[in-house]
Order: sequence, then C-alpha cells, then structure tokens
Amino acid sequence: AQSVTQLDSQVPVFEEAPVELRCNYSSSVSVYLFWYVQYPNQGLQLLLKYLSGSTLVKGINGFEAEFNKSQTSFHLRKPSVHISDTAEYFCAVSDPGYSTLTFGKGTMLLVSP
Amino acid sequence: DGGITQSPKYLFRKEGQNVTLSCEQNLNHDAMYWYRQDPGQGLRLIYYSQIVNDFQKGDIAEGYSVSREKKESFPLTVTSAQKNPTAFYLCASSQGKPYNEQFFGPGTRLTVL
Repeated sequence: AQSVTQLDSQVPVFEEAPVELRCNYSSSVSVYLFWYVQYPNQGLQLLLKYLSGSTLVKGINGFEAEFNKSQTSFHLRKPSVHISDTAEYFCAVSDPGYSTLTFGKGTMLLVSP
Repeated sequence: DGGITQSPKYLFRKEGQNVTLSCEQNLNHDAMYWYRQDPGQGLRLIYYSQIVNDFQKGDIAEGYSVSREKKESFPLTVTSAQKNPTAFYLCASSQGKPYNEQFFGPGTRLTVL
C-alpha cells in the first residue's frame, strides 16, 4: 500500500522569503507524484506533477519540486513567497497500476508581511 | 467553460436523514471520484467510478452510496449509517489514467445537526 507523509502541518514564513514544503512517499513501485493547492473553502488545483524524465519539475505560480528516488521525496519549493500563496498544499501519489490518488494530510503555508 | 460543479455549497441536515450531494462534469472525463476532507486529515477517498454503471469503494465507503448512470454525473448519498457525516466533500474527475491529473469541484460543506 502506498502512503504519503507531509512532515509539517504548518509552515509560517515571511513574505519574499524562500519556502520548502516536504513530502515523502512509500511505494514499492514507480509512482507518479503531484502537488495540489487548496485556497480556503475551495477545491484543489494542480500545481505540478512528476511523471518521468527530469527530476526538477516546474509548476504554476513560480513553484517547483524535485523528485528524489533514493530518498523517496518530492519536496515543493518557491524562492520568494507572496501573501497570496497562503493556502493548504497537498502532496499525492498515484500508483501506475491504479487511477486513484493517495494524499498526504496537507501543509498549511502561512505567509505574513 | 468546462469544469465540475457541486451543489449545494452548504448543506444542513438533521441527524438520521439521508442526504444526496450533486456532482456534474462537462469535461468528458471517464473517471469520477468522491473525497471527504476533515481538518488535519487530508483527503480520503470514499468511492470512485472509472466508467458508467460501475464504481468501486475507496478507503472510507461505509455509510455512503453512489450511482453512475450518466458519464457526467456522480451523486453521493450520505446515509444515516454514516456515524460522523459532518465534513467537506470534494468531487473530482479525470481521464482515468494514473498519470492524469484530477480536476476538483468547489466542494460541499455538510453539517449534520
């Protein structure tokens, strides 16, 4: 069975500072990895995904993530955050044999001026 | 505009009543999903359907039921057997392959009084 661990439930950061949101997964097979963002009382929106190829993936709103197979990690980064980045971020893994996603419990990014 | 609609956005019901949440998509996606979101718990899969007239239980199907009579519609019924139904419910759809992203609706917040 797959699982996803998001190591931080909340990450407070000041505006214009860099941020890293951590995600580790466990799976016995190759996986597809996703990061989604959720603004308050809304649905989820895809930030980026890793399917294969280059381990550095660029997404929307200046976010990027790096796939590290040996460490089974897929950390999300942004070099300079804005107030508008305040939201909850979810890491998810999809087993190539299935069309379902397993989500982590989420990390709340709190950006203050 | 293509997308997923969920209605209503807020729903209140008395304990012991069944309630049906609506989900419609016009993306021509084959697969549809229902998730439950509780604070600090991430998203948990209730049911999913990969084709019309077929659906599978997810991780927390007890106390819920679904139908998939049309490609564009996947209603979820929260029955009186669900012990703790108050939650935020999210519907999603995808092309159905493991590498396809899921597109989410805006969610329905159900409160059982």
